[in-house]
Amino acid sequence: DAGVTQSPTHLIKTRGQQVTLRCSPKSGHDTVSWYQQALGQGPQFIFQYYEEEERQRGNFPDRFSGHQFPNYSSELNVNALLLGDSALYLCASSYLGTSYEQYFGPGTRLTVT
Amino acid sequence: DAKTTQPTSMDCAEGRAANLPCNHSTISGNEYVYWYRQIHSQGPQYIIHGLKNNETNEMASLIITEDRKSSTLILPHATLRDTAVYYCIVRYGRGSARQLTFGSGTQLTVLP
Repeated sequence: DAGVTQSPTHLIKTRGQQVTLRCSPKSGHDTVSWYQQALGQGPQFIFQYYEEEERQRGNFPDRFSGHQFPNYSSELNVNALLLGDSALYLCASSYLGTSYEQYFGPGTRLTVT
Repeated sequence: DAKTTQPTSMDCAEGRAANLPCNHSTISGNEYVYWYRQIHSQGPQYIIHGLKNNETNEMASLIITEDRKSSTLILPHATLRDTAVYYCIVRYGRGSARQLTFGSGTQLTVLP
């Protein structure tokens, strides 16, 4: 079992650009959540996808959007990048029905210059 | 979800037990206590969770006070690989439907 995988590992973008991050959940999982972790802080919840729909959303602007595909993989899109969007972006997967834990991927380090 | 308070940092000698405290005085009856840890440059890792009874698994033990206002995560024989930030999270419900609300956590450093 490969666990949760994320791509790319690192990314450098310029202010104003758009970025897409990708996540493949652990085998058997149907729910994907995205978190943003700024340097020195705990992860902050962005949104959660289940059955290809956004089910919950944290306090993030509409520049942050996502998608879940029929195979449960997910994308996080960020438009009009700001310097403050520089962070580690973490994807977590779980099985909505019965599992009580979320499995996190290694994250994508985004740097906005 | 109830707010949690943890010490910013703690040290522990290798081979000794590491006891990490967490206060959650506003916890409600249907909120669970979860512990995750994050080793440097990795994603958080689930450790253990509990409602009101003490819990133990292969990684750690979780002791929850009778009034449920605080808890302690115990790593019985800490190793250098246990050096990480440990997050105590209180969350409604047992399932994974709700998001995790992370605080600042406790930086545990295991010393040789």
